[in-house]
Amino acid sequence: QVQLQESGPGLVTPSETLSLICTVSGFSISSGNYWGWIRQPPGKGLEWIGYIYHSGRNYSNPSLKSRLTISVDTSKNQFSLKLSSVTAADTAVYYCARDGGGFSYGNWGQGTLVTVSS
Amino acid sequence: QSALTQPASVSGSPGQSITISCSGTSSDIGAYNYVSWYQQHPGKAPKLMIYEVTNRPSGISNRFSGSKSGNTASLTISGLQTEDEADYYCSSYASSTTVVFGTGTKVTVL
Repeated sequence: QVQLQESGPGLVTPSETLSLICTVSGFSISSGNYWGWIRQPPGKGLEWIGYIYHSGRNYSNPSLKSRLTISVDTSKNQFSLKLSSVTAADTAVYYCARDGGGFSYGNWGQGTLVTVSS
Repeated sequence: QSALTQPASVSGSPGQSITISCSGTSSDIGAYNYVSWYQQHPGKAPKLMIYEVTNRPSGISNRFSGSKSGNTASLTISGLQTEDEADYYCSSYASSTTVVFGTGTKVTVL
């Protein structure tokens, strides 16, 4: 059974960089699939952030692309997200998920709340 | 990249059927058969209910069905049950290798 777990700081200072890691168990990232990040501001809807393939090829939401870095570490079976120059608008629950095919996310982490505040 | 448009809320009585619409454009829903639907209960991660417009993942009740016509996709829940009360989101693959989510619909079981 595929399991995903997000980890990282719960509080980030404005203008700094938000960094999160997703650790995958029960499935090798090197085996394939796309691995994605999705976020949800408190009380609001889902926003697609981007996804990455085990080769490192990645795609991002155009609205975040200039601030976003998504990378993968197959040796640790992890993939990560870095979002620079954060503001309060980046406060959200951040989820990592596995795209099992058809650009649909069948496996999700539990989510981690990241608050941007001084 | 604009969010897909969904009604803010839909309600129905137990046993009834309801349909949630998801309106997009010719660059997303209209162009690809990669529409998904997710159910989200409060405080929980979303759960995949439908993928590739009409397919149900293993373990998902056949009370949930999906369809698409032109630039609009739909999720129908038949035999509405109290546990179906949740938020529902559609998503679609879009041009430029991106994914876009819908605005979300709150389903209330009366």
